[in-house]
Amino acid sequence: DTEVTQTPKHLVMGMTNKKSLKCEQHMGHRAMYWYKQKAKKPPELMFVYSYEKLSINESVPSRFSPECPNSSLLNLHLHALQPEDSALYLCASSQGTSGKGEQFFGPGTRLTVL
Amino acid sequence: QQQVKQSPQSLIVQKGGISIINCAYENTAFDYFPWYQQFPGKGPALLIAIRPDVSEKKEGRFTISFNKSAKQFSLHIMDSQPGDSATYFCAASRHGAGNNRKLIWGLGTSLAVNP
Repeated sequence: DTEVTQTPKHLVMGMTNKKSLKCEQHMGHRAMYWYKQKAKKPPELMFVYSYEKLSINESVPSRFSPECPNSSLLNLHLHALQPEDSALYLCASSQGTSGKGEQFFGPGTRLTVL
Repeated sequence: QQQVKQSPQSLIVQKGGISIINCAYENTAFDYFPWYQQFPGKGPALLIAIRPDVSEKKEGRFTISFNKSAKQFSLHIMDSQPGDSATYFCAASRHGAGNNRKLIWGLGTSLAVNP
């Protein structure tokens, strides 16, 4: 299984809502990533988890809160978002952060903040 | 500062033609260079990747050419098909702090293959 799955596919939320994005992989990968992608731009790294520990936070606002419950799951908790946070949120995984570097991406969650 | 410069921004090719996308990098510590293909509304998919000890890598219709001295690498798509119409991103990575790897992305090339 070489798939990274993400739920939901689409999410619309108000600025006062709390919601969560979920990501799952069953490739035995030990590194997982959250990216944000705006239209016609490359993905921007937000967080990296290595062996279930947060190893990189790219100065992301605290209204985004990542969580890695186990080596297969990655969540992104959202609270008090702004309209400019509307984007495609991508999850990725790799064998490890120091290995070949191959990152495999999920299909993304299209987030709209009203 | 754009560490990986990608060109062209957009490209139109006729079916059966060759699509060529170029990238240039600055940091000689980069040691892994992947290309990703992304269709609208989908996540990027790893297409092909190369390491700097190899000058060329071919997988089917896709070839990466790598010029270490010029700090450039390129993607060639042979016999381009309408189904290849997508956005292509080059990237580069190296070991960083805490032995983590981060991908440094080019800005992308929107490829349209006319039937």
